[in-house]
Amino acid sequence: EAQVTQNPRYLITVTGKKLTVTCSQNMNHEYMSWYRQDPGLGLRQIYYSMNVEVTDKGDVPEGYKVSRKEKRNFPLILESPSPNQTSLYFCASSFALNTEAFFGQGTRLTVV
Amino acid sequence: GDSVTQMEGPVTLSEEAFLTINCTYTATGYPSLFWYVQYPGEGLQLLLKATKADDKGSNKGFEATYRKETTSFHLEKGSVQVSDSAVYFCAIQTGANNLFFGTGTRLTVIP
Repeated sequence: EAQVTQNPRYLITVTGKKLTVTCSQNMNHEYMSWYRQDPGLGLRQIYYSMNVEVTDKGDVPEGYKVSRKEKRNFPLILESPSPNQTSLYFCASSFALNTEAFFGQGTRLTVV
Repeated sequence: GDSVTQMEGPVTLSEEAFLTINCTYTATGYPSLFWYVQYPGEGLQLLLKATKADDKGSNKGFEATYRKETTSFHLEKGSVQVSDSAVYFCAIQTGANNLFFGTGTRLTVIP
């Protein structure tokens, strides 16, 4: 089954403790992105990647890192999480520009 | 910069009512336009899309037409069902795989 898989689905952590949210897709897609969803703000793009070893900042990249060492994986790294990064995070992938984006089920992160 | 303005919610309708959710955009060039739907506890799914002016996207009884002259992409459905209850997001794509989303409109359909 074609899918985007994120882990974990839920995470509660403390300020400053490094964490990684994994994202994997099995559709051989070139493009992958990370978004955060906050009430009243919709989805905002954090980082995106157009291919292996090619990543770029989205609209809200501060406090986040990503890597794209393999085509299927695109982890999101929070080196020193802060409470303002409490949010619902989505990973997405697509085959090419202007094609359907497939979303993971989301990771709800709480930083206390 | 590029942006999407979407009708504020929440919207509550009775079953079989007509639905319109307004969406307008600002973009350089000629963006592709999308509607995504998010059911409770799930990620977003593509509902429909249009890639050039006057294109009409349609799916599951929903429709939206790419209006370049008014920079709009309003979502419509003639007769909503309880199962249509979800959050709907309008989005535009302007290259480099950067999707800009509206703030979302929560629709609740009551029997």
